[in-house]
Amino acid sequence: QKEVEQNSGPLSVPEGAIASLNCTYSDRGSQSFFWYRQYSGKSPELIMFIYSNGDKEDGRFTAQLNKASQYVSLLIRDSQPSDSATYLCAVNGFQKLVFGTGTRLLVSP
Amino acid sequence: GAVVSQHPSWVICKSGTSVKIECRSLDFQATTMFWYRQFPKQSLMLMATSNEGSKATYEQGVEKDKFLINHASLTLSTLTVTSAHPEDSSFYICSAKLTLSNQPQHFGDGTRLSIL
Repeated sequence: QKEVEQNSGPLSVPEGAIASLNCTYSDRGSQSFFWYRQYSGKSPELIMFIYSNGDKEDGRFTAQLNKASQYVSLLIRDSQPSDSATYLCAVNGFQKLVFGTGTRLLVSP
Repeated sequence: GAVVSQHPSWVICKSGTSVKIECRSLDFQATTMFWYRQFPKQSLMLMATSNEGSKATYEQGVEKDKFLINHASLTLSTLTVTSAHPEDSSFYICSAKLTLSNQPQHFGDGTRLSIL
């Protein structure tokens, strides 16, 4: 079992819709969770981080954490074509981040 | 927000050349920096963790004599790819984080290395 799992996609949504990206992790002791966005040919960019169970909102982005289910999600409201990218879920392991393989999101005009 | 600068952004050189990549944290002190490699259409692969003032910790399968890491100050880490060969061509990305363990990593813009 991979330590951090994401559906590779692509996840296709129309412009204006809500995109829901999901991630599960195996280490029950994990405390910090991060979402990065990576455009093709570019380095990852931090979008959100969450430490506590529940929701955390920042603009059009909402991160959701459920430690009991070992599940993290990222919701993108009012999706725009510029949101098309690969979204990486990352979980704090021992002294390093453990990344999922990423979900590719395609937002069509 | 935290800014990490990486230089150069693009390198093309002949096989056998050694290439040095710099990673600087511009507005914060980073006791720990990380070096990743990413091949096309693949996920990030952690190569090593760079700790200021001490030896880097390399991931399994990464040759420490080929990928030399120096972290001499709280704002600068360097990765030197020694005697580079075409199979070393990749996208190299550094990241840095604040001291507290739960803080996020912030990434540099990456260095695209092409070995002819």
